[in-house]
Amino acid sequence: QVQLVESGGGVVQPGRSLRLSCAASGFDFSTFGMHWVRQAPGKGLEWVAVVSYVGFDKYYAESVKGRFTISRDNSKNTLYLQIDSLRAEDTAVYYCAKDRVCSGNSCSSGFDYWGQGTLVTVSS
Amino acid sequence: QSALTQPASVSGSPGQSITISCTGTSSDVGAYNYVSWYQQHPGKVPKLIIYDVTYRPSGVSNRFSGSKSGNTASLTISGLQAEDEADYYCSSFTRSRTLVFGGGTRLTVL
Repeated sequence: QVQLVESGGGVVQPGRSLRLSCAASGFDFSTFGMHWVRQAPGKGLEWVAVVSYVGFDKYYAESVKGRFTISRDNSKNTLYLQIDSLRAEDTAVYYCAKDRVCSGNSCSSGFDYWGQGTLVTVSS
Repeated sequence: QSALTQPASVSGSPGQSITISCTGTSSDVGAYNYVSWYQQHPGKVPKLIIYDVTYRPSGVSNRFSGSKSGNTASLTISGLQAEDEADYYCSSFTRSRTLVFGGGTRLTVL
């Protein structure tokens, strides 16, 4: 069965960096676009970034462009999100999500699998 | 990229039907048939209930249906049940090859 397991969250001081990971299993990871979505406490969903199936194409929400870097290692079936210069407004649960069918650079047909999320808290 | 516009809340009685709208622009909802809907119960992970505007994933009740007209997509839930009480989010692929979510709608079953 498909599993997505995030890790790397925690309490971090403003201005520091953090790298989140998402270990995937149960499907051909190298075929699908992979996304990060976040949800601040008590707030709605916010799409963060997508990386295409081979990792060449990357797209970001305007709110995180320049500070967040999405990447993947298909040999390890793992998705990453590097977050630099953390701000209080980055406090959220970060989910990784698999695109239903798209490879990540020309469409997005919904996220059929989500991880359980990892909480990032930015606080001094 | 501005969030898609959804009503903050809707409500209905068991057995009734409700519709949640999701309004975007010609650069997102109006540009492609890549609109999805998600259901999220408190403390739970979002669940895909509609993809590509009108399609239901396997296992999703046929009480859920989706449609689109111009820059506005809609989710209709018929025969409301208590278990439908949740937050609902729309999302759309955009011309910038990014994704955008709606602000979410809290559904209350009276």
